[in-house]
Amino acid sequence: QVQLQESGPGLVKPSQTLSLTCTVSGGSISSGNYYWSWIRQPAGKGLEWIGRIHTSGSTNYNPSLKSRVTISVDTSNNQFSLKMSSVTAADTAVYYCARERYGSGTYHHDYWGQGTLVTVSS
Amino acid sequence: DIQMTQSPSSVSASVGDRVTFTCRASQGIGSWLAWYQQKPGKAPKVLIYAASSLQSGVPSRFSGSGSGADFTLTISSLQPEDFATYYCQQANSFPYTFGQGTKLQIK
Repeated sequence: QVQLQESGPGLVKPSQTLSLTCTVSGGSISSGNYYWSWIRQPAGKGLEWIGRIHTSGSTNYNPSLKSRVTISVDTSNNQFSLKMSSVTAADTAVYYCARERYGSGTYHHDYWGQGTLVTVSS
Repeated sequence: DIQMTQSPSSVSASVGDRVTFTCRASQGIGSWLAWYQQKPGKAPKVLIYAASSLQSGVPSRFSGSGSGADFTLTISSLQPEDFATYYCQQANSFPYTFGQGTKLQIK
């Protein structure tokens, strides 16, 4: 059973960089037809897709965040990471990492981490 | 960006009822649509992918249909554990976008 677990600071100061890591267990991050994604959800609001990475290094980002976001992968540690620079209060949200399965006419997120709350405040 | 509009925003129903949610895309997305269920404080869980394929382990009372721009999620007979918020998400083009959600409440 694949499991994903987010980790990182729960409090980030405005203008600083948010850094989160997702550790994948129960399977190799390099195996299978998967992308590895970050999605966020402000309190009481809907879901926003941030971006994704394939272990080949290919990335896709939400254009609204692209200038501030970098997603990277560390296959040796079965992890992938999110860095978001110049954060403001508007970046306060629960951040989820997720596995995106592709192939056979589908792309969908079939496994998710539990989510981690990141608050941007001084 | 493709806008995903869900209706209704909220609905009240009783155990045993049949309920249908609607998701409309601002342009055609083929069958590149998934439905997720989210309970308070929990991560979303995929129910349906490719518009109508049931995710492994999801009860058969959930079904999805549609293609192009109009999609539906149906729960054939509501169970107590089904009260949650439901989101649709398009994977036709970047950025992926979600609907605003439909909250299913107990009547």
